[in-house]
Amino acid sequence: RKEVEQDPGPFNVPEGATVAFNCTYSNSASQSFFWYRQDCRKEPKLLMSVYSSGNEDGRFTAQLNRASQYISLLIRDSKLSDSATYLCVVNRGNNRLAFGKGNQVVVIP
Amino acid sequence: NAGVTQTPKFQVLKTGQSMTLQCAQDMNHEYMSWYRQDPGMGLRLIHYSVGAGITDQGEVPNGYNVSRSTTEDFPLRLLSAAPSQTSVYFCASTGRGANEQFFGPGTRLTVL
Repeated sequence: RKEVEQDPGPFNVPEGATVAFNCTYSNSASQSFFWYRQDCRKEPKLLMSVYSSGNEDGRFTAQLNRASQYISLLIRDSKLSDSATYLCVVNRGNNRLAFGKGNQVVVIP
Repeated sequence: NAGVTQTPKFQVLKTGQSMTLQCAQDMNHEYMSWYRQDPGMGLRLIHYSVGAGITDQGEVPNGYNVSRSTTEDFPLRLLSAAPSQTSVYFCASTGRGANEQFFGPGTRLTVL
């Protein structure tokens, strides 16, 4: 079983719609959790950290469920500029990150 | 601040050649890492360092060496390039106690 599993998609989303996706992780000792965004042929950049209490940053909401070992990301009111790949990331400790394959999002006008 | 810089941006090697991918950061970060990204595989950790003079292996270390003689620099050496090492290589750094890893722009390597 892969350490971090994501359904790569693509997720074709009409502009203005809401899209949500999850990832699961296998190591229950994982310490911290993140969503990174990666644009085509660019480096990953931190979108947001993920906390058990849930956290929101503008149109983006992230949630962590430690009991079920999954992480979710919801994007509301999708913009064309949200088209990217969203990487689910787990910190194993000492900043050694494990990445999922990414969810590719394409926002359609 | 330049952040994390990587050179070269692109490189083509022949099988058996050796080369060094350069990575530098000017943020005084303790932690530095090398990842490779292949289609359909996600990013995988090659080697990492928790400070100058300290390095350790990640998930896919075979065929690569690293050293960390200074806080700023973390070069990745390919000892004898193989076609399986064709990939995009990212270097990243982060400070102690921080969450965000900062990535360099990547090196696109092709081994023929």
